[in-house]
Amino acid sequence: DSGVTQTPKHLITATGQRVTLRCSPRSGDLSVYWYQQSLDQGLQFLIQYYNGEERAKGNILERFSAQQFPDLHSELNLSSLELGDSALYFCASSPDGVWEQYFGPGTRLTVT
Amino acid sequence: DAKTTQPPSMDCAEGRAANLPCNHSTISGNEYVYWYRQIHSQGPQYIIHGLKNNETNEMASLIITEDRKSSTLILPHATLRDTAVYYCIVRVARETSGSRLTFGEGTQLTVNP
Repeated sequence: DSGVTQTPKHLITATGQRVTLRCSPRSGDLSVYWYQQSLDQGLQFLIQYYNGEERAKGNILERFSAQQFPDLHSELNLSSLELGDSALYFCASSPDGVWEQYFGPGTRLTVT
Repeated sequence: DAKTTQPPSMDCAEGRAANLPCNHSTISGNEYVYWYRQIHSQGPQYIIHGLKNNETNEMASLIITEDRKSSTLILPHATLRDTAVYYCIVRVARETSGSRLTFGEGTQLTVNP
């Protein structure tokens, strides 16, 4: 158990819909990262937040957005969903001064 | 970040040492070598990292060649639970907290009974 929690574990929705994935980092970790893992793209970095502010952006679509709240939990919002958005979405966190990232169990999103 | 090359798959007998190679011939002087693993559809798990010296922790050992162009992750006594995809990642260490991890294809290690 990494200490990072993600909800929900599974999500099934239809094309065109909007969903929100939630991540609670390890206690005290200020950095939160989001990654997407699909069968054809592998594990890809989406976005990083540090203490409420966006720190780095990767291959995140404009239909996707994220935020980190004052209590440090983070949400990833996915809208206008397409079949190709079906994937595992992982959240990771890391503390200051440590470069290891601790990953949550992931949310499996299925778009039908 | 430097590109890495790993074999797509390897097999190992249970109880034997698993040696997973990684080539990173374009590594820069300030880049670290990190290893993570992912057990089927679970979140990736940090294993170990190093700059130029060999490193050991409770999970594994990391051997980095003197020219730093390649490294080997060693699981000294592999168990069935070590069956996973192992990722070698090279990245610059930053002063502030964290930076993205760029995952390649990794090596699928299968530990056989």
